[in-house]
Amino acid sequence: AQRVTQPEKLLSVFKGAPVELKCNYSYSGSPELFWYVQYSRQRLQLLLRHISRESIKGFTADLNKGETSFHLKKPFAQEEDSAMYYCALGDGGFKTIFGAGTRLFVKA
Amino acid sequence: DTAVSQTPKYLVTQMGNDKSIKCEQNLGHDTMYWYKQDSKKFLKIMFSYNNKELIINETVPNRFSPKSPDKAHLNLHINSLELGDSAVYFCASSQERGGRPGELFFGEGSRLTVL
Repeated sequence: AQRVTQPEKLLSVFKGAPVELKCNYSYSGSPELFWYVQYSRQRLQLLLRHISRESIKGFTADLNKGETSFHLKKPFAQEEDSAMYYCALGDGGFKTIFGAGTRLFVKA
Repeated sequence: DTAVSQTPKYLVTQMGNDKSIKCEQNLGHDTMYWYKQDSKKFLKIMFSYNNKELIINETVPNRFSPKSPDKAHLNLHINSLELGDSAVYFCASSQERGGRPGELFFGEGSRLTVL
């Protein structure tokens, strides 16, 4: 079954500290993975996708097929990074399956 | 110039009532979706339409009926509302690329509260 697991509901770090939001997936085919972000009072939006292999707002995510993971990382967290982050899996069709989300809180 | 817009943003109603949420996108996308976000922030797909045809219909009670009059609109009608229907409903759209959905563009959400 296709599944996306984000084990942490809440992650709290200090400003300037490294941050890693974990995401594991279960999928039998070739996955297409995304990170979406929802800032306070804003709509959910794409942060990055694995096929782009780019860094957005200092965030990167590497697809590890061996560990079936797509963790989101940033070396130095900023207060404006505080938001709800969703890992998502494209199922090869039109369905995008979301994880339960992790709320990141960056403390001053 | 809002890309995906939903109305209403807030809806408070009594159990047993029927209500609709409307969604419009001006991005020229060919696929539209309804997602439900529950109180724990879990986001679950409900329906998807591609070029006005229903392509995804998850295990959703048949009290929920989507309607797509054209590619730019996807409405959600809910009959006989129940307490458990209280949630935030998100509309989204995407443009198919090589048989796969592109980036999802979301509306702001419609918060439904059933009393």
